[in-house]
Amino acid sequence: DGGITQSPKYLFRKEGQNVTLSCEQNLNHDAMYWYRQDPGQGLRLIYYSQIVNDFQKGDIAEGYSVSREKKESFPLTVTSAQKNPTAFYLCASSIRLAGGPYNEQFFGPGTRLTVL
Amino acid sequence: AQSVTQLDSQVPVFEEAPVELRCNYSSSVSVYLFWYVQYPNQGLQLLLKYLSGSTLVESINGFEAEFNKSQTSFHLRKPSVHISDTAEYFCAVIEELSNTGNQFYFGTGTSLTVIP
Repeated sequence: DGGITQSPKYLFRKEGQNVTLSCEQNLNHDAMYWYRQDPGQGLRLIYYSQIVNDFQKGDIAEGYSVSREKKESFPLTVTSAQKNPTAFYLCASSIRLAGGPYNEQFFGPGTRLTVL
Repeated sequence: AQSVTQLDSQVPVFEEAPVELRCNYSSSVSVYLFWYVQYPNQGLQLLLKYLSGSTLVESINGFEAEFNKSQTSFHLRKPSVHISDTAEYFCAVIEELSNTGNQFYFGTGTSLTVIP
């Protein structure tokens, strides 16, 4: 079964601690994304990566870091510099069709992070 | 930058009544358009998309959306809603010639509540 997995589903951390959210895909997709979702604000792009060993900041990258060492994996670290980290985090991936635009994004089930 | 506007943050509707969820985007360049649905504490699922061809696109569960280039709109409609349609709906846009690769722009979402 192909898809995107995020773990864990729920995550609790104390204030001041770094935490890493996992995102794995076996769809052979080139591009991967991290979004943050807060009530009433829709999805905001944190980071995205179009190829291995390369990634770009999105709209709200401050306080976050990522790596893309393998095509299948795109972990997100929420650092202590992120002032309001409690949110629902969504990972997504997509593939570029030959000669065309990127196709739709496929989403993982999300990780709800609560910082106490 | 692209912006996507979903004017209605909440839409209550009675079961078996019709519904329209509105989406407008800002770009004057060629775009691709998507509607996603999100059930509580889950990731987003693609509902339907417009890439080219017929401006009216349909989903397998009775939703349809019409691309209107002159009005820069992509409204989602269903002639008769069910309780199971209760969810959050997101409109998304990607520019055809975007130099940021595959950056999707999402609206802030519309919460559809179907009342028995």
